[in-house]
Amino acid sequence: AQSVAQPEDQVNVAEGNPLTVKCTYSVSGNPYLFWYVQYPNRGLQFLLKYITGDNLVKGSYGFEAEFNKSQTSFHLKKPSALVSDSALYFCAVRGGDYKLSFGAGTTVTVRA
Amino acid sequence: NAGVTQTPKFQVLKTGQSMTLQCAQDMNHNSMYWYRQDPGMGLRLIYYSASEGTTDKGEVPNGYNVSRLNKREFSLRLESAAPSQTSVYFCASQTGGSGNTIYFGEGSWLTVV
Repeated sequence: AQSVAQPEDQVNVAEGNPLTVKCTYSVSGNPYLFWYVQYPNRGLQFLLKYITGDNLVKGSYGFEAEFNKSQTSFHLKKPSALVSDSALYFCAVRGGDYKLSFGAGTTVTVRA
Repeated sequence: NAGVTQTPKFQVLKTGQSMTLQCAQDMNHNSMYWYRQDPGMGLRLIYYSASEGTTDKGEVPNGYNVSRLNKREFSLRLESAAPSQTSVYFCASQTGGSGNTIYFGEGSWLTVV
């Protein structure tokens, strides 16, 4: 069975500081990894994904994520956080089938 | 660009009532999904349709039925609503292939009293 763990329910950072949201996964075979962001009362918006190739993936709104196969991790990062980055972030993994499994989510709060 | 459109956005039901959530996508995607989102549990897959004419159960299918009406539309039906089905429901779609991105609708907030 595949699964995703987001070990932090909440992450709080000051505006301008680096932001990291952690994700580890378990899946059979090669993983396809995704990050989504959800603003209040909205649907999920796609940020970035790792399929193959370069371990550092760049996505929307200045976000990037680093795939680490040995640690089975896919942490989301942003060098300088903005207040507007405050939202709920989901990591998701898919193995060789259709099923996309989500983590429980991490609430990010960026204070001015 | 409409993308994935869900209706209704909000609904209150009484226990035992039935209702159907409608979903349509205009991206010519083959696969469509229904998820539910509950606090602290992320998103859980209810049903999935790989292509027109096929449907499969996900993690939490009990109490739900689905219909893939055509390539564009995928509806979710609650035959006899229960308070445990109070949740936010998301429809999603993608083209084929495990590496392709799933795109989500804006959600339907359902309360069963």
